[in-house]
Amino acid sequence: QVQLQESGPGLVKPSETLSLTCTVSSGSMSPYYWSWIRQSPGKGLEWIGYVYYSGSTHYHPSLQSRVTISVDTSEKKFSLSLTSVTAADTAVYFCARMGVTGFRFDSWGRGTLVTVSS
Amino acid sequence: EIVLTQSPGTLSLSPGERATLSCRASEGISSSYLTWYQQKPGQAPRLLIYGASSRASGIPDRFSGSGSGTDFTLTISRLEPEDFAVYYCQNYGGSPLVTFGGGTKVEIK
Repeated sequence: QVQLQESGPGLVKPSETLSLTCTVSSGSMSPYYWSWIRQSPGKGLEWIGYVYYSGSTHYHPSLQSRVTISVDTSEKKFSLSLTSVTAADTAVYFCARMGVTGFRFDSWGRGTLVTVSS
Repeated sequence: EIVLTQSPGTLSLSPGERATLSCRASEGISSSYLTWYQQKPGQAPRLLIYGASSRASGIPDRFSGSGSGTDFTLTISRLEPEDFAVYYCQNYGGSPLVTFGGGTKVEIK
């Protein structure tokens, strides 16, 4: 059973870069898409983007200019970088696995709250 | 952009009752890529139904999904206490590539 665990700072200053890492345990990173999804307090889910195990990426158009997702299969980790953050980026950030058939999120991390504040 | 609209926003029911949740797409989508999740407070979403109607591993058979085209439904035949949660539908395809509905909260009446 694959397990995912997010890690990174819980507080980021406005205009700075939010950086998170998701560690994957018990299982291979292929052939899956590895996603970041966020949830603002009391709100719904917003997909940020994914990285395929091979390194190709796809991002939400509204975040594309600020987002980078990368993967390190040797370390079994993938990472999120979100630049120029504002208070609107305050959210719980989840990492999740998506299969290549059906394109559904079948495994999730527990989520980590990131607050953007000075 | 494909928009998923879930209704109602909140469903107030009693244990044992039947819950019917709707997910409507702004244009036709493939049922193969329509997924339902359950989320409880403080937890990550949990995969419930994929391919519009297939139950994920370990999901009780009181949960069922149906629909095609633009209209999809999640039905909980008899609500158990642990079913009170927020439910989201999700689609793959279009732009953005992944979209979620706004969610339906099933609360205890």
